[in-house]
Amino acid sequence: NAGVTQTPKFRVLKTGQSMTLLCAQDMNHEYMYWYRQDPGMGLRLIHYSVGEGTTAKGEVPDGYNVSRLKKQNFLLGLESAAPSQTSVYFCASSYGTTNEKLFFGSGTQLSVL
Amino acid sequence: RKEVEQDPGPFNVPEGATVAFNCTYSNSASQSFFWYRQDCRKEPKLLMSVYSSGNEDGRFTAQLNRASQYISLLIRDSKLSDSATYLCVVFWGGGFKTIFGAGTRLFVKA
Repeated sequence: NAGVTQTPKFRVLKTGQSMTLLCAQDMNHEYMYWYRQDPGMGLRLIHYSVGEGTTAKGEVPDGYNVSRLKKQNFLLGLESAAPSQTSVYFCASSYGTTNEKLFFGSGTQLSVL
Repeated sequence: RKEVEQDPGPFNVPEGATVAFNCTYSNSASQSFFWYRQDCRKEPKLLMSVYSSGNEDGRFTAQLNRASQYISLLIRDSKLSDSATYLCVVFWGGGFKTIFGAGTRLFVKA
């Protein structure tokens, strides 16, 4: 049972390049989330999804897009990367609204030069 | 004011010590409370939920004070393996928000 899998683990981009981060979960969770973590700050929610085909904005959605075409996958896209998007990105999933437990992927270290 | 505030530390304690962390939150409508543990360069993992009546899991005790809007985590008999960052997490369903504190770093030394 793999849990939540994120790819890639590391990536370096030049300003203006685009990329997609992939998150996959095999726990049949309805809810999936993308967070970013920066030094001295808590994890901040970028976008989330409450089910297949649905997405919603979180706290810091600007510059990112997401898609949830299949229940098990949640993609995070950066159309035109900026240095301010240098961060560690975590995908997470949970059973439902009570958020009793978030299951996190191992993270993606992204640097934008 | 941040929605969830924690003392960033670091807390440097010897093995066997008792250490306590506090966390305050601003939204009185908050519904659920948790402590997560995050090891260096790793993902956060749930340590324990926090209930108004207080709850204990081995060497770890969590307390919630709704009137004062703070949460605490007590670690007794600290082990080297307890060295990590401890994240205070607060959730409220309206608006579907989970807010993470910035974390408190703990170093346990031999």
